[in-house]
Amino acid sequence: EVQLVESGGGLVQPGGSLRLSCVASGFTFSSYAMNWVRQAQGKGLEWVSGITGSGADTFYADSVRGRFTISRDNSNNIMYLQMNSLRAEDTAAYFCAGYGTGSLGAWGQGILVTVSS
Amino acid sequence: DVQMTQSPSTLSASVGDRVTITCRASQSISSWLAWYQQKPGKAPKLLIYQASSLESGVPSRFSGRGSGTDFTLTISSLQPDDFATYYCEQYNSFSRTFGQGTRLEIK
Repeated sequence: EVQLVESGGGLVQPGGSLRLSCVASGFTFSSYAMNWVRQAQGKGLEWVSGITGSGADTFYADSVRGRFTISRDNSNNIMYLQMNSLRAEDTAAYFCAGYGTGSLGAWGQGILVTVSS
Repeated sequence: DVQMTQSPSTLSASVGDRVTITCRASQSISSWLAWYQQKPGKAPKLLIYQASSLESGVPSRFSGRGSGTDFTLTISSLQPDDFATYYCEQYNSFSRTFGQGTRLEIK
């Protein structure tokens, strides 16, 4: 069974940092690009960042470029999102997603990040 | 960046109705379009990929059409479990974009 499990969320002050993790199981992790998608309370889905299967190429939404860094550890089937200089508008549920031929065939349950003083 | 315009934002319908949701891309995305269903408090679920391919396990009452800039998701006969929010997503470029979402509610 394909499974994605996020962790590392929580409450952080504006300007602070947080690192999210996504542990994958049930598929050949290194064969698939992976992504982070977020959703503010009551709002739509926003793609945040993506990384190719090898980890060689990374991509970011304009709203997070320069502040967030995506990475992966294919030996341990984990993807990360390092979030620095956090702002109130980064408050959202963050989902890891991937495992598709381009589309997002599997999603984690989501992890809440709250940026507030 | 490719912008995705989804309509309507809200759709009221009854069990057994046939409904269609539309998604328009600001530039051609070939067939690199997916549709997702999301229920409150849950992660999105992939329904359709590559514009018209049904994801494994998804009921055949769901269908997708289109290419280039104009796409549709049709549910042929609404079931109680189908009342949810639906999103289109383009993945023509690695900078993905979602539509604003369509909330399908019971009339």
